[in-house]
Amino acid sequence: NAGVTQTPKFRILKIGQSMTLQCTQDMNHNYMYWYRQDPGMGLKLIYYSVGAGITDKGEVPNGYNVSRSTTEDFPLRLELAAPSQTSVYFCASSYSTQPQHFGDGTRLSIL
Amino acid sequence: AQKVTQAQTEISVVEKEDVTLDCVYETRDTTYYLFWYKQPPSGELVFLIRRNSFDEQNEISGRYSWNFQKSTSSFNFTITASQVVDSAVYFCALMPTGTASKLTFGTGTRLQVTL
Repeated sequence: NAGVTQTPKFRILKIGQSMTLQCTQDMNHNYMYWYRQDPGMGLKLIYYSVGAGITDKGEVPNGYNVSRSTTEDFPLRLELAAPSQTSVYFCASSYSTQPQHFGDGTRLSIL
Repeated sequence: AQKVTQAQTEISVVEKEDVTLDCVYETRDTTYYLFWYKQPPSGELVFLIRRNSFDEQNEISGRYSWNFQKSTSSFNFTITASQVVDSAVYFCALMPTGTASKLTFGTGTRLQVTL
């Protein structure tokens, strides 16, 4: 049972490039989330989804997009990377309001 | 609006000492959940405990214990006889009941346990 899997683990982007952070879970959880963690800070919610085909903005959605075509997958897309998006990104999933299970994170640097 | 405050940015203890990590929260919701997560140096987030606001009973799990006091809006975490493997950043978090999208994290407390 893999839980929540994020790829890649590390990535360096140039300003203006785009990329997709992948997230998949095998626990059949209906809820999925994307967070970012800046140095010395807690996690802030970017986007979340309560089920396939349904997504909604979190606290810091600007500069990101998501989709949820299947229960298992919840990719996060950066269209025009900016230095302010340098962060560690965590994907999580849960069954409704049960505790969230987190992936190992993606460390993203934008130069 | 809700807020979670972990005033201790960093704590250093010697192995076998007891240590308490403080967590104070603010919320207007009448029912909510409180959480603690551990983030070891490897970076992943590990769920430790969830407490319902209805349940003020303290909980003990091995060397870990949690003290929930609704009157002071606190949910403190104590590690007894700390070990080097306890070195990590610990996050306290708050979520109103029924709103999984509103999990609010504190800024974390970095615990360093040395020999």
